[in-house]
Amino acid sequence: EAGVAQSPRYKIIEKRQSVAFWCNPISGHATLYWYQQILGQGPKLLIQFQNNGVVDDSQLPKDRFSAERLKGVDSTLKIQPAKLEDSAVYLCASSLAHGGDLTGELFFGEGSRLTVL
Amino acid sequence: GENVEQHPSTLSVQEGDSAVIKCTYSDSASNYFPWYKQELGKRPQLIIDIRSNVGEKKDQRIAVTLNKTAKHFSLHITETQPEDSAVYFCAASRRGSARQLTFGSGTQLTVLP
Repeated sequence: EAGVAQSPRYKIIEKRQSVAFWCNPISGHATLYWYQQILGQGPKLLIQFQNNGVVDDSQLPKDRFSAERLKGVDSTLKIQPAKLEDSAVYLCASSLAHGGDLTGELFFGEGSRLTVL
Repeated sequence: GENVEQHPSTLSVQEGDSAVIKCTYSDSASNYFPWYKQELGKRPQLIIDIRSNVGEKKDQRIAVTLNKTAKHFSLHITETQPEDSAVYFCAASRRGSARQLTFGSGTQLTVLP
């Protein structure tokens, strides 16, 4: 079974520039998550999609971050303009979960490492 | 919202010894508690999980215990091996949250040969 695919793996940008990350979840997984992992910390949820709808984006800094999941499959996460504190690994994850008391394991991608100079 | 605290932040053990990592959570509605292992530069991978209707779960050298009253859960690794060296994260999620996990801050486990 193919895993969660993410690209690019690494990105270096200047502050105030923009960047976009792409995620392709495991086939058939209804729920997709974007997590931000700052060095030395645990992953923090940014946004959660169920199919192509947003379930929770309460921790997404909406003044600079945006995400979409068109057609309920692939997703993109965009940062514009980037700040120094956005330097982190952006992890995409997916699961079969589709609401209620779920049993689906969360599968993570390898992540996209962003460095903002 | 949920808050998960994890201790210790670093742990060194001799090969063959046991390692214990502890987490506490704040939301009494949380009912699912997974543990993830993350090797350097790699993705987090699920190693074991436990639900709130169970007090203990074991899988070979790994076990997790849950105390709902005290709102804490622990990861136990016995007979540690060098390949167990990694960062371990605990997490918690509540019923109906579509597996929305809140993670602890991580424990860097080093197994010394």
